[in-house]
Amino acid sequence: SYELTQPPSVSVSPGQTARITCSGDALPKQYAYWYQQKPGQAPVLVIYKDSERPSGIPERFSGSSSGTTVTLTISGVQAEDEADYYCQSADSSGRVFGGGTKLTVL
Amino acid sequence: QVQLVESGGGLVKPGGSLRLSCAASGFTFSDYYMSWIRQAPGKGLEWVSYISSSGSTIYYADSVKGRFTISRDNAKNSLYLQMNSLRAEDTAVYYCARDKPAAAGTGAEYFQHWGQGTLVTVSS
Repeated sequence: SYELTQPPSVSVSPGQTARITCSGDALPKQYAYWYQQKPGQAPVLVIYKDSERPSGIPERFSGSSSGTTVTLTISGVQAEDEADYYCQSADSSGRVFGGGTKLTVL
Repeated sequence: QVQLVESGGGLVKPGGSLRLSCAASGFTFSDYYMSWIRQAPGKGLEWVSYISSSGSTIYYADSVKGRFTISRDNAKNSLYLQMNSLRAEDTAVYYCARDKPAAAGTGAEYFQHWGQGTLVTVSS
């Protein structure tokens, strides 16, 4: 399997826009998925197929893709969005996660 | 509603073995691939293994290949992970997660449902 690279941390003030990137050579050919994980909890899927939002996920969460980079955007960040975020993708031989990005709401 | 409940975690010595189980309910288990994913303390998520709906296709992460064995019993709606030759670096919370539907193509290889996790500690 290949690698996905995320920045270790991103910080934003409440109400601002947070952008978390994920880079990988196979991303032009494979979909990306995003998860939010809060301390002591299992991850929650927030974006699938690069930009689709599961039911129950707030509209402020969106995803986009450009070349070898996918981006999770959180518009109008709220304090409750402070969490770790992971991208994930797949190929024929398995699944792969990025290293995770800690989002801090200042 | 979909429920995944892991069990079998605990403290084991290096070189020892452990078998994890995951009981599934709320969906047609035999229609879905299933995966094991782990998270070492304070670290990120690491995919461990997946098994196809029939059990005929299995893949492992390089870090566990040759030591771990994934299996399933569709009649019992259960997923298993046999872990042998355990090492300190296998210490983690192990999650079972519902993977893609068997009939789905690309774009469905995500994990919408996760268990609560079971902690495996490898230490002497």
